Amino acid sequence: AQSVTQLDSHVSVSEGTPVLLRCNYSSSYSPSLFWYVQHPNKGLQLLLKYTSAATLVKGINGFEAEFKKSETSFHLTKPSAHMSDAAEYFCVVSDLGGSYIPTFGRGTSLIVHP
Amino acid sequence: EAGVTQFPSHSVIEKGQTVTLRCDPISGHDNLYWYRRVMGKEIKFLLHFVKESKQDESGMPNNRFLAERTGGTYSTLKVQPAELEDSGVYFCASSRTSGSSYEQYFGPGTRLTVT
Repeated sequence: AQSVTQLDSHVSVSEGTPVLLRCNYSSSYSPSLFWYVQHPNKGLQLLLKYTSAATLVKGINGFEAEFKKSETSFHLTKPSAHMSDAAEYFCVVSDLGGSYIPTFGRGTSLIVHP
Repeated sequence: EAGVTQFPSHSVIEKGQTVTLRCDPISGHDNLYWYRRVMGKEIKFLLHFVKESKQDESGMPNNRFLAERTGGTYSTLKVQPAELEDSGVYFCASSRTSGSSYEQYFGPGTRLTVT
């Protein structure tokens, strides 16, 4: 069985300050982990993914995430927020050894203030 | 390359009516998925096609939902008759290869409101 918990439903930051979106997962197998972003009226876009290679994963638009097995976490970070980062972010897990069907977190809305 | 497209973008229907949602995957993608997000909840898997065959329909909520993918190209998801709890955003995604580590490309979704 697999599950994902996004710890914050909303995160508010000022432009130019760091972003931290938290995600914890559980998985019976070796997980694949993804972060997707959804801007208004757009489809979900893949930011980055972890599939058992390097634990620090770099994605698009300056985002990165670190897989920490001991903490069962896959938090998304960015050093400096931009207004265009305002969107909803989804953490997703699927089991490499089990069902490929992905499990989504509830989403975190990132609000960026000027 | 064109992305995944979905039609309509919004649909408002009355309880008991029928609605058909359409998804056009990225050309060459054999795998097509349907998901649903009910307001305030997680995005949930509905079913997975490989070409025209249903690979997994374990997430379909009940027999009021019928998905088809004739010819292995576009797919339709019909809800008949619609109920209030069917309201939500229906996403379609496609991928070239199936498997847990492969990226799925998502469409913008169809927002369905049942009144």
